[in-house]
Amino acid sequence: GESVGLHLPTLSVQEGDNSIINCAYSNSASDYFIWYKQESGKGPQFIIDIRSNMDKRQGQRVTVLLNKTVKHLSLQIAATQPGDSAVYFCAEGSGGGADGLTFGKGTHLIIQP
Amino acid sequence: DTAVSQTPKYLVTQMGNDKSIKCEQNLGHDTMYWYKQDSKKFLKIMFSYNNKELIINETVPNRFSPKSPDKAHLNLHINSLELGDSAVYFCASSRRGGLYEQYFGPGTRLTVT
Repeated sequence: GESVGLHLPTLSVQEGDNSIINCAYSNSASDYFIWYKQESGKGPQFIIDIRSNMDKRQGQRVTVLLNKTVKHLSLQIAATQPGDSAVYFCAEGSGGGADGLTFGKGTHLIIQP
Repeated sequence: DTAVSQTPKYLVTQMGNDKSIKCEQNLGHDTMYWYKQDSKKFLKIMFSYNNKELIINETVPNRFSPKSPDKAHLNLHINSLELGDSAVYFCASSRRGGLYEQYFGPGTRLTVT
């Protein structure tokens, strides 16, 4: 797979390959992180989340890695499928209040057949 | 059953008009939110609301106001619409604010002419 930062908004991978989408956050007080997938014309869909007391969390075909030292978050998608094509957003939250999530700019993942 | 629903899906209106977007969640969540997504796909929190507290993003003009008739509904009223209000508006809900995944509605595409 190929890793990109948010300054490269598009990531193109071959079907079946692994994808890595990266995200940098700036708020040191953030203690909750989440990845969303947004398909065209739809609302963001929850993929996976992680709290700041963890470094790694795995779901079905997805893994989120958190590096608090460098304030970096990544989403790994194993064996990408055509249905994985979408825009992926990282988001962060802090504190126990209802401040909502702060979203990153998004990365457009394109799966090549 | 749709967890978070919004109406209408599309809204086209003229400058100066007043309009409302409705949101309902059937998840039993305590906190609801409104987000604005601009043409570059950037998602930004506008409001978060539970039965005790309304938190307003300071960048939101006071022409925008949330109204919650009950715990399952958070409607968005917009007065004196401007061209720059054109965007996709998403409603979301979560069990609690801050540190839990938010479930998003399908979005309302607002076009101001």
